[in-house]
Formats: sequence, structure tokens, C-alpha cells
Amino acid sequence: AQSVSQHNHHVILSEAASLELGCNYSYGGTVNLFWYVQYPGQHLQLLLKYFSGDPLVKGIKGFEAEFIKSKFSFNLRKPSVQGSDTAEYFCAVNAADRGSTLGRLYFGRGTQLTVWP
Amino acid sequence: IAGITQAPTSQILAAGRRMTLRCTQDMRHNAMYWYRQDLGLGLRLIHYSNTAGTTGKGEVPDGYSVSRANTDDFPLTLASAVPSQTSVYFCASSDSGDGANVLTFGAGSRLTVL
Repeated sequence: AQSVSQHNHHVILSEAASLELGCNYSYGGTVNLFWYVQYPGQHLQLLLKYFSGDPLVKGIKGFEAEFIKSKFSFNLRKPSVQGSDTAEYFCAVNAADRGSTLGRLYFGRGTQLTVWP
Repeated sequence: IAGITQAPTSQILAAGRRMTLRCTQDMRHNAMYWYRQDLGLGLRLIHYSNTAGTTGKGEVPDGYSVSRANTDDFPLTLASAVPSQTSVYFCASSDSGDGANVLTFGAGSRLTVL
């Protein structure tokens, strides 16, 4: 079965600090990769996604993520965080080439980011 | 505004009772999903449906059932609720079931089973 690991459960930063959240997955085939964000009291929404092409993808609000196939990683980055980035961040993976689990998105356990002013 | 509507938003339920969480989407998406979100465990897929008339089991299907009689509705039923089913339940949909499309999530239903 596929699995998704997010290394940090809770990250606390000051405004303007740089952010990197780790995400690793276990599946050797072709994958689609996602980062979702859940702001306090809201539902999940897409931050960015990778299907193919340039492994460095840019999302909303200045976030970016880099797919490193050899490391099975898809880390999320932002050069300078703001208080409004306080939220829970979920990495998710889908096997793009496996019929039996096609369409099934596997989520990591989430990383709670708190940004202090 | 197009999207997903879940009901109820919150419910307290006695163990052993039957409960149906409703989910309706107006985007004509083919695929729909039910996830539960638990602290420290992230989101886990309960059941899914790639198209109307078909359903499949996710990671944690036991104690839950779903139906997909039409494109828009995907209710989740707990036949006999247990305290371990206390969770926040999210319904989601996507344009297709092949994972190449982004999931749109509902606002969630918070269920407490006593």
C-alpha cells in the first residue's frame, strides 16, 4: 500500500522566516502529488499540484514545491511566511499508473504551521 | 456558488444509533469521496465512487456504507454508530476518478458519538 510521511507535526515560525515542510511517499511508479492547506475553521483547499513536467511547481500565496523522484519527496517551501499562513498543511499522493487504486488520494498526517508576528 | 454541501455541520449521537451524513455537489463531477479527519492521522479515505452507480472501499470502510444513485448525491451511513467513529467527515468530488483532477472539499461534518 502507498504511504505518505510528513516529518514535522508542528512547526512554529516567526513572520518573514523561511519554511520547508517535508513530504515523502512510498510508491515506485508514476505519481501525482499535491499539497492541500486547511486554514482554521475552513475546509481543505489546493495549494499546488504536480502531474508531470518541471519538477519545481509554484502554487498560490508564494508557495512552491519540488518533486525529487530519486528521493520520493515533494517538499513544500516558502521564502518568507506571514501570519496568514498559519494553517494545517497536508501532502497527498495518487498513483497515476495503478488501475486498482486509480483515483485514490493518500494523505499524510498533516503539519500544523503556526506563524507568530 | 458551485461546490459541495454537507449536512449536518455538527451532530452528537448516541452509540448504536443510525446516522446518515449528506453530501451534494452541483459541479457535475463524476467522482466523489468520503474522508474522515482525525488528529494526528490526517485524512483517511472511507469510501469512494468513480461514477454514479458504482462505489468502492477506501482505507477505513468498516462500519460505513455509501450509495451513489445519481451524480450529485453521495450519502454516508453509519448503521450503528460507535465512539471510535467520532471524527470530522469531509466529502469531496473531482472531475474524474483517475486522480488527475483536483479534489474539491465540502466544509465538513463534525460527528460526536457518545
